[in-house]
Amino acid sequence: ESVLTQSPGALSLSPGERATLSCRASHTVGSSYLAWYQQKPGQAPRLLIYATSKRAPGIPERFSASGSGTDFTLTISRLEPEDFAMYYCQQYDPSPRYTFGQGTKVEIK
Amino acid sequence: QVQLQESGPGLVKPSQTLSLTCTVSGGSIRSDDYYWSWIRQHPGKGLEWIGYIYHTGSTYYNPSLKSRVTISLDMSSNQLSLKLSSVTAADTAVYYCARGEPMDIADLYAMDVWGQGTTVIVSS
Repeated sequence: ESVLTQSPGALSLSPGERATLSCRASHTVGSSYLAWYQQKPGQAPRLLIYATSKRAPGIPERFSASGSGTDFTLTISRLEPEDFAMYYCQQYDPSPRYTFGQGTKVEIK
Repeated sequence: QVQLQESGPGLVKPSQTLSLTCTVSGGSIRSDDYYWSWIRQHPGKGLEWIGYIYHTGSTYYNPSLKSRVTISLDMSSNQLSLKLSSVTAADTAVYYCARGEPMDIADLYAMDVWGQGTTVIVSS
């Protein structure tokens, strides 16, 4: 079973700042198989990024992502008030199986 | 615009079977364009994929839950269901249904539409 480890656990930033979130896999992940979600309290997760770097429909351009192999990054270029939330990475294994990281909380400093 | 809505008992006794339904509106579960998943989130914790089903009835489950899980489709009602047997307190969670792997978007191996979730507490 491949494990996803996200870091940091929490990130304290101010609106307008840049956020960089990391997701590390214990095994190599195909570029098509890595996604990112945003979740706000009391809400369902929302798909932000799929296939490592492709924005889901309706996702603002300030969200970008990159990576390969075992190391992946989600970047929020300039934090808006609505961006303070929990973020999860997710990998797909063709067995098939989905697994998620434990999450990074982006909080207001 | 497709919407998903989970429903079911909010309280289940230990050792019983948890049964949830997800009603899909604005789209058909008969479509061969999607897989339909169940995911859960333990209180204050991360997400755990339970399994998914295709319109053919083919199912794929998380190995850690496989022995206790059944996911099925009710085409006449446009619903998918989840049954989890022999529940314990460790099954207390918010349960989500979600649509995944849309065939009209290349390389989208993720869940792109989610229900709002339903809380299930396992307690006597």
